[in-house]
Amino acid sequence: KAGVTQTPRYLIKTRGQQVTLSCSPISGHRSVSWYQQTPGQGLQFLFEYFSETQRNKGNFPGRFSGRQFSNSRSEMNVSTLELGDSALYLCASSLELGAGANVLTFGAGSRLTVL
Amino acid sequence: QKEVEQNSGPLSVPEGAIASLNCTYSDRGSQSFFWYRQYSGKSPELIMFIYSNGDKEDGRFTAQLNKASQYVSLLIRDSQPSDSATYLCAVSYRDDKIIFGKGTRLHILP
Repeated sequence: KAGVTQTPRYLIKTRGQQVTLSCSPISGHRSVSWYQQTPGQGLQFLFEYFSETQRNKGNFPGRFSGRQFSNSRSEMNVSTLELGDSALYLCASSLELGAGANVLTFGAGSRLTVL
Repeated sequence: QKEVEQNSGPLSVPEGAIASLNCTYSDRGSQSFFWYRQYSGKSPELIMFIYSNGDKEDGRFTAQLNKASQYVSLLIRDSQPSDSATYLCAVSYRDDKIIFGKGTRLHILP
């Protein structure tokens, strides 16, 4: 059974650019959540999608957005990149809605460097 | 502001000893508690979850939850060098948001 697949694994952008990250969940998993991990702040919740709808959102500015497609694949977008957006972006999938109630399986992450 | 606090470590434990990792949380409304392990350069993976007060054992791992004192702990018996990793405590709330602690780095000394 394939795990959670995230692409790209590594990317370098400059300030002001925008980036799109992709996540394919485990087959049969309908919930996808996104996290930002940095050495200083740890793992922080960005948002969760279920049935193509955003169900939960963390405390991040509107520059961070996402969507989910009918096949449960999800993308997140960060516009007008800032240096502080450099981080490891992790996607996690779970069977049902509610990141807190279900076991999360994480992808390998997309490491974003903003110069 | 809901918070999950962990000692950042590193916590050094001799091989074969018991490693004890602790986590405190601020909101009494917390419902579910998770321990994830993250090896350097890898993504987190679930070790255990616990919902009710008391102990839950799985192999060498025991999770302990005390809701009155608002702490959850993870005990690793017979620690092995392969247990060296960062351990993340995570707490979920009624709104289903999950908050992670910043993690405790564990180093098992051979």
